[in-house]
Amino acid sequence: AQSVTQPDIHITVSEGASLELRCNYSYGATPYLFWYVQSPGQGLQLLLKYFSGDTLVQGIKGFEAEFKRSQSSFNLRKPSVHWSDAAEYFCAVGAEYGNKLVFGAGTILRVKS
Amino acid sequence: DGGITQSPKYLFRKEGQNVTLSCEQNLNHDAMYWYRQDPGQGLRLIYYSQIVNDFQKGDIAEGYSVSREKKESFPLTVTSAQKNPTAFYLCASSSRDSLYGYTFGSGTRLTVV
Repeated sequence: AQSVTQPDIHITVSEGASLELRCNYSYGATPYLFWYVQSPGQGLQLLLKYFSGDTLVQGIKGFEAEFKRSQSSFNLRKPSVHWSDAAEYFCAVGAEYGNKLVFGAGTILRVKS
Repeated sequence: DGGITQSPKYLFRKEGQNVTLSCEQNLNHDAMYWYRQDPGQGLRLIYYSQIVNDFQKGDIAEGYSVSREKKESFPLTVTSAQKNPTAFYLCASSSRDSLYGYTFGSGTRLTVV
C-alpha cells in the first residue's frame, strides 16, 4: 500500500528566502506524485505532478519538485518565497493502476516579512 | 469551464439533525471522493465512488452516508449519528486512473450549533 510522509508540520521562512518542503513516499512500483496547495478555507489546487521522464518538474507559481527514486522523495522547492505563498501544502502519491491518491498530513508554511 | 461545485459554503446544523452537502462536477470524471479536514489532521477519506450506483467506505465512514445516482453528483449526508461533525468537508473527482490527480471543490464548512 502507498503511504506519504511530510516530516515538517510547520515551516517558517522569511520573504525572499528559498524554500524546500519535504515529502517521502512508500510505494513498490513507479509512483505518480503530486503537490497541492491549500489557502485557508479553500479547496486544494494542483501545483505540479510527476509521472515519468525528467525528474525535475516545474509547476505553477514558480514551484518545482525533484523526484529521487533512491531516496523515495519528492521535495518541493521555490527559490524565493513571496508572502502570498503562505498556505498549507500537501504531497500525494498515486499508483500506476487505479485512481486513489494517498495524501500526506500537510505542511503549513508561514512567511515572515 | 469545467470544475466541481460544492454547496453551501457554510452550513449550520442543530444537534440531532441530518444535513446534506452537495457536490456536482461537470468534468465527466468517473470517480468522486469526500474528505473531512480537521486542523492538524490532514485529509481523511469518508466515502468514494468509482462508478454510478456504487460507492465504498473510506477510513471514517461512520455517521455519514452517500449516494451516486448520477455521474455528476455525489451528495454527502451527515447524520445525527456523527457525534463530532464540525469540520471542513472537501469533495474531489478524478478520471479512471490517477494520471491527472484529483480536482477539488472549494469546500463546505459545517458547524454544529
